[in-house]
Amino acid sequence: GQNIDQPTEMTATEGAIVQINCTYQTSGFNGLFWYQQHAGEAPTFLSYNVLDGLEEKGRFSSFLSRSKGYSYLLLKELQMKDSASYLCAVREGTSGTYKYIFGTGTRLKVLA
Amino acid sequence: DTGVSQDPRHKITKRGQNVTFRCDPISEHNRLYWYRQTLGQGPEFLTYFQNEAQLEKSRLLSDRFSAERPKGSFSTLEIQRTEQGDSAMYLCASSSAPGAAAFFGQGTRLTVV
Repeated sequence: GQNIDQPTEMTATEGAIVQINCTYQTSGFNGLFWYQQHAGEAPTFLSYNVLDGLEEKGRFSSFLSRSKGYSYLLLKELQMKDSASYLCAVREGTSGTYKYIFGTGTRLKVLA
Repeated sequence: DTGVSQDPRHKITKRGQNVTFRCDPISEHNRLYWYRQTLGQGPEFLTYFQNEAQLEKSRLLSDRFSAERPKGSFSTLEIQRTEQGDSAMYLCASSSAPGAAAFFGQGTRLTVV
């Protein structure tokens, strides 16, 4: 079966660094994706990992360990506009047929 | 390229009525996904198309739900005999070749009264 776990809520201060963890159990793993979703809006793509290691994109970095079923999203130099939900999603499938399975999301509050 | 487009953005309907939503994916994206999202939850997978072929349907998709993508471009999601439990945000996403991320539309918010 599929199981994706991430914390429900986190709070951090403007300018700080925050790490949002995600653990997963799934079959046919084909990539780990992070999306940002502001209230009432659609998810927007942030980052993804297919191989183990760290991917950096500006203030956002994402890490993957496939053997541990673990990923994290690192946000640096937090800004008020980073207050949003962050969704961890596993892409699973084989032979070019894929679907994305989402966690429940981590609601991040950035305080001044 | 204007991104994934969904119509309507909001729909209020009475219980028992049928509703249909449309999704226009990013042009040349051959993969199209429908998801449903309720407050405080992540998107739940409903169904997936590769070109015009519907390759997978979630068990969440009861026989009141049907989706089509007749020409491999836009897709429609129809809900028949709506129930209050169908109230949710219905999201459409598209992606191109394997390895690419999925991009979401703004969603259709359905309220069944």
